[in-house]
Amino acid sequence: KAGVTQTPRYLIKTRGQQVTLSCSPISGHRSVSWYQQTPGQGLQFLFEYFSETQRNKGNFPGRFSGRQFSNSRSEMNVSTLELGDSALYLCASSREDRTVSQYFGPGTRLLVL
Amino acid sequence: QKEVEQNSGPLSVPEGAIASLNCTYSDRVSQSFFWYRQYSGKSPELIMSIYSNGDKEDGRFTAQLNKASQYVSLLIRDSQPSDSATYLCAETSGTYKYIFGTGTRLKVLA
Repeated sequence: KAGVTQTPRYLIKTRGQQVTLSCSPISGHRSVSWYQQTPGQGLQFLFEYFSETQRNKGNFPGRFSGRQFSNSRSEMNVSTLELGDSALYLCASSREDRTVSQYFGPGTRLLVL
Repeated sequence: QKEVEQNSGPLSVPEGAIASLNCTYSDRVSQSFFWYRQYSGKSPELIMSIYSNGDKEDGRFTAQLNKASQYVSLLIRDSQPSDSATYLCAETSGTYKYIFGTGTRLKVLA
């Protein structure tokens, strides 16, 4: 079974731009979560989607948004990029059960200049 | 604020020894616990999940959960240099949100 895929793998943007990242979950997985990972803060939860609905979100500003499509693929968008948004953005998928294991994609490394 | 705490390390153990990684959590309603391994520059890889008090073994890995003490640990037997990585502990209380610790860096010395 194919794993979680994320595109693009690397991105370089400048301050003020916006960016859209994509995530395709493992086949049959309907829950998709997004995380930001930085050396200082570790893995920080952004939001979780199931059946095109956001079920929970972390403590990030409104510049961070996401959505999920009917095929469970998900996108996250960051508007008005700041230098501090430079990070590894990870997507994880799981079955719909609320306590099951998540499986991570390879991540998108974003550098904001 | 729910928290998961881990000693950042590095924890250094000789090859063939048992590595013991520990994690404490603050949310008493936490239901499920996970250990992930993350190599430098890579994404986290699931090693173990544990839901009930006690021990759960999978090959060289044993996860231990004590809900009364809000403590979860991971033992790695016969540690190998390839086990050198950062180990992340995570928990969820069933609200579709997973809380991760900042990880413990393990170094297995050949």
